Amino acid sequence: QTVVTQEPSLTVSPGGTVTLTCASSTGAVTSGYYPNWFQQKPGQAPRALIYSTSNTLPWTPARFSGSLLGGKAALTLSGVQPEDEAEYYCLLYFGGVQRVFGGGTKLTVL
Amino acid sequence: QVQLVESGGGLVKPGGSLRLSCAASGFTFSDYYMNWIRQAPGKGLEWLSYITSSGSIDYADSVKGRFTISRDNAKNLLFLQMDSLGVEDTAVYYCAREDFSLDYWGQGTLVTVSS
Repeated sequence: QTVVTQEPSLTVSPGGTVTLTCASSTGAVTSGYYPNWFQQKPGQAPRALIYSTSNTLPWTPARFSGSLLGGKAALTLSGVQPEDEAEYYCLLYFGGVQRVFGGGTKLTVL
Repeated sequence: QVQLVESGGGLVKPGGSLRLSCAASGFTFSDYYMNWIRQAPGKGLEWLSYITSSGSIDYADSVKGRFTISRDNAKNLLFLQMDSLGVEDTAVYYCAREDFSLDYWGQGTLVTVSS
């Protein structure tokens, strides 16, 4: 059973920078896993932010960026805003078919 | 504008069945892969299944053999037939369009499995 692991929680100050990571139990995450990132606020459906490691969607704020870092997928928020407080999920594609979400990172802006 | 609206959720007894629907509008439905994802109360997201525009299908191991995904391109509808439901299947079920990303999601429909 493939497991995708994220930090359970992180705290960042307004205006600060924070990096969330996404690891795979199968080994290093590469671009071939097409890492995706989603934001979910309470009571709302998830919203896509990043696809294929670093590509943004039209509604993705410029302060969000995706990359690969030390064998993991990473989501970096630069100049964090209070409205960025949310749960963040990564999604990896295995064999181009199976999709597996990470457990989520609860980001607190304090 | 792209819209996805799920329906069909509700209360069902363990061992029962339920069929979820997802009505799509605002885009050419037949051109896109579609997915089902669920979220148990207070828990994270779990990918369940996808169906390609040509009808290829795959499932997460947790639902393989119990859930069946299908689509009706003429009616712009996506379905999820869920059989042999257990309490662990209690969740909000989302449909999502796939275009390099799961770019559009519905608001979800709640399925509660309880005696």
